[in-house]
Amino acid sequence: GQNIDQPTEMTATEGAIVQINCTYQTSGFNGLFWYQQHAGEAPTFLSYNVLDGLEEKGRFSSFLSRSKGYSYLLLKELQMKDSASYLCAVGRGSYIPTFGRGTSLIVHP
Amino acid sequence: GAGVSQSPSNKVTEKGKDVELRCDPISGHTALYWYRQSLGQGLEFLIYFQGNSAPDKSGLPSDRFSAERTGGSVSTLTIQRTQQEDSAVYLCASSSTGYNTEAFFGQGTRLTVV
Repeated sequence: GQNIDQPTEMTATEGAIVQINCTYQTSGFNGLFWYQQHAGEAPTFLSYNVLDGLEEKGRFSSFLSRSKGYSYLLLKELQMKDSASYLCAVGRGSYIPTFGRGTSLIVHP
Repeated sequence: GAGVSQSPSNKVTEKGKDVELRCDPISGHTALYWYRQSLGQGLEFLIYFQGNSAPDKSGLPSDRFSAERTGGSVSTLTIQRTQQEDSAVYLCASSSTGYNTEAFFGQGTRLTVV
């Protein structure tokens, strides 16, 4: 089985940087995904890491350490529209991710 | 189609009735997944299809739940004898191969059992 932990809720200020952590324990690990989900909407893909290190994509970056079972999503230059739930998901075997409960990020002015 | 389409978008049903939820994946996507999301909760995996077969249906919560996929395309999730605890948003996603590729989600079906 797998166990995925991430904080339930975080708050940050517009323009700031926020880091959302995710730890996992799983068998057959095959990559880690981050998805964004705005309230009432479907999740949308943000990033995928399979090798250790940092992947940067615009204002968003994602980091993975396989040996530590740890990942984080880094959001820079926060905007109000970044208020959403951020879902960490572990890819297991040859198919799709098992999701954590998600972190609700609230960005305030 | 342009994206993953689910129908109906909302369904209210009486306890004990059967419901069918439909998913039209992105054309050409071989992998299809069903998830369930209760209010304020994460996504709970239900079942995974690769083509028309379901290599993993371990997430189906009980034998009242079943799913099928035909023609490597449309999938139907059926819940028999619905219970109030079945109330949730049922999300369908598809991906091109299923092997650690980006999954595209539909808007979901909000099921309310009264």
